[in-house]
Amino acid sequence: GAVVSQHPSRVICKSGTSVKIECRSLDFQATTMFWYRQFPKQSLMLMATSNEGSKATYEQGVEKDKFLINHASLTLSTLTVTSAHPEDSSFYICSARVLAGLSSYNEQFFGPGTRLTVL
Amino acid sequence: KNQVEQSPQSLIILEGKNCTLQCNYTVSPFSNLRWYKQDTGRGPVSLTIMTFSENTKSNGRYTATLDADTKQSSLHITASQLSDSASYICVVSAKGGGNKLTFGTGTQLKVEL
Repeated sequence: GAVVSQHPSRVICKSGTSVKIECRSLDFQATTMFWYRQFPKQSLMLMATSNEGSKATYEQGVEKDKFLINHASLTLSTLTVTSAHPEDSSFYICSARVLAGLSSYNEQFFGPGTRLTVL
Repeated sequence: KNQVEQSPQSLIILEGKNCTLQCNYTVSPFSNLRWYKQDTGRGPVSLTIMTFSENTKSNGRYTATLDADTKQSSLHITASQLSDSASYICVVSAKGGGNKLTFGTGTQLKVEL
């Protein structure tokens, strides 16, 4: 159980285009999903926290108009990188937290990641 | 400022040997500490999670310890295998504030023949 999927696993796009990444919790409902970015040889950096049905909360320095997050259901969150540029090339990872009370650890389960390359 | 520091930064060991990875943290108020394994190009996979009252927890060949007084944790890997080659990340969760996670920078382990 507790599987989180991401799609696509890798994407290559031209500069200026928009890219949408999906994150799904396959066998549990997640009130909260998180989006992270990871650069080579660095740790995960939290970009934003999204709660189902409400606006995402972005970390300092993350442009909300550039990284659009939609969390329309308890099993799906999407991250859209708008007008992507080469500096947006990174490994994007989502995680999902089970409904409060179902995990004593408030455990987060991570997706496999999406490798974005902007040419 | 909440911080998690890991050592060593990288480690090379021979297959079959044991190793221990260290984690020091200054996260407050403490909720739990997790160890994750991250293969290259993949998302982190949970190995162990420990709360304040748990001193040790095992998952197969992985054994994690936690000393909440000194704010230190270790991950011991027994009888290493080539497939253990990965980054091992120590992550600490704080109480409240959405249980935000603080990530260590990881220890890159390479197991060789």
